[in-house]
Amino acid sequence: DIVMTQSPDSLAVSLGERATINCKSSQSVLYSSNNKNYVGWYQQKPGQPPKLLIFWASTRESGVPDRFSGSGSGTDFTLTISSLQAEDVAVYYCQQYYSSPRTFGQGTKVEIK
Amino acid sequence: EVQLVESGGALVQPGGSLRLSCAASGFTFSSYWMHWVRQAPGKGLVYISHINSDGSGTSYADSVKGRFTISRDNAKNTLYLQMNSLRAEDTAIYYCATLDVYSSSSFDNWGQGTLVTVSS
Repeated sequence: DIVMTQSPDSLAVSLGERATINCKSSQSVLYSSNNKNYVGWYQQKPGQPPKLLIFWASTRESGVPDRFSGSGSGTDFTLTISSLQAEDVAVYYCQQYYSSPRTFGQGTKVEIK
Repeated sequence: EVQLVESGGALVQPGGSLRLSCAASGFTFSSYWMHWVRQAPGKGLVYISHINSDGSGTSYADSVKGRFTISRDNAKNTLYLQMNSLRAEDTAIYYCATLDVYSSSSFDNWGQGTLVTVSS
């Protein structure tokens, strides 16, 4: 199974500041035939199911604010919230869909400083 | 509107069995792979199983392989998870989801989950 490791486990950021979450896969999730990275990012707020923010490592889901962006390739990926808003307090997960089972990272809790 | 509604969660004793259901509506259920993801109280998301659109192919996480069986009834637009030999560590909210990604769009939908508690 591909192991997805996120860092940090939690972070506190001031309102309006940048938040950066990293995700590292135990093997490459870049599919050479289409040059796509099979990684997505989810946001989960308390008492709610996860919500997809980013797929193909950097494609923003429809309706997701543009302060959310994804980057990276191969084994190293980043989710950036450019200007943290109060409603962004949540746990964020990366997930690979390169191979089964589609493993998740352990999650990163984002709070307001 | 896409809806996924899980049911069947309950308190069950260790070693017991339970069958979860996920009723789907608002989309052509028979065209999509379906997935189960679970989340233990206060913990992270764990992907546990998927089934392809016609039910001919399945996959399981090692933690549930041999104990859980995923299935579907496309005539009833319903996904199932048969859980046998339950353990305390299977205690979690179980979500069904679609999790499809295309070249420039996605079809990612989750139910609200159903709680399974394994305890004596």
